[in-house]
Amino acid sequence: GAGVSQSPSNKVTEKGKDVELRCDPISGHTALYWYRQSLGQGLEFLIYFQGNSAPDKSGLPSDRFSAERTGGSVSTLTIQRTQQEDSAVYLCASSLELQPQHFGDGTRLSIL
Amino acid sequence: AQKITQTQPGMFVQEKEAVTLDCTYDTSDPSYGLFWYKQPSSGEMIFLIYQGSYDQQNATEGRYSLNFQKARKSANLVISASQLGDSAMYFCAMRWASSGSARQLTFGSGTQLTVLP
Repeated sequence: GAGVSQSPSNKVTEKGKDVELRCDPISGHTALYWYRQSLGQGLEFLIYFQGNSAPDKSGLPSDRFSAERTGGSVSTLTIQRTQQEDSAVYLCASSLELQPQHFGDGTRLSIL
Repeated sequence: AQKITQTQPGMFVQEKEAVTLDCTYDTSDPSYGLFWYKQPSSGEMIFLIYQGSYDQQNATEGRYSLNFQKARKSANLVISASQLGDSAMYFCAMRWASSGSARQLTFGSGTQLTVLP
């Protein structure tokens, strides 16, 4: 498809487990963003990748969260030792520099 | 720091009527962009409209228009001729545009719009 693709769409895991969330951006988009949407906190920025520059990690809530972007395309967000407060919808977006961001459908993460 | 305020948690509008969703923002940066996104119950975030801080005219996209009042720091979304499919959560968002500034969006808390038949 032509849009941002995220997988899995839903993930249920036990507290303490590690999870990986995948984002496949729109082809040609140099910028990639991860956001988190939860009931109590609204939409929060997590991390931003732009081309080959060092990522902006200023939104990551703890060192249990990390992300990488391989080959300037696909990105993986990893959460280690998950906690119940990590339950949220994780949204990925991509864009050309300074153009509107286009979002994927998100991954709904539930920590039991 | 940037801040986006949407003061209407919920709004109702009759089908075919126009509705205005409020958004105010706070920034000291002279260069910024304002965005509106729609999030239906299915969850996807759909980009609607964009306004740059230096744009002289209000942005329009089909039935959507942005009432940009820079001095008042407001960027209200106007939806004309509402349709049942417009029922969704609407988010106002802002992004710095100055060189070297962060590129991520800062979102408001959203307005849940319900269109009544």
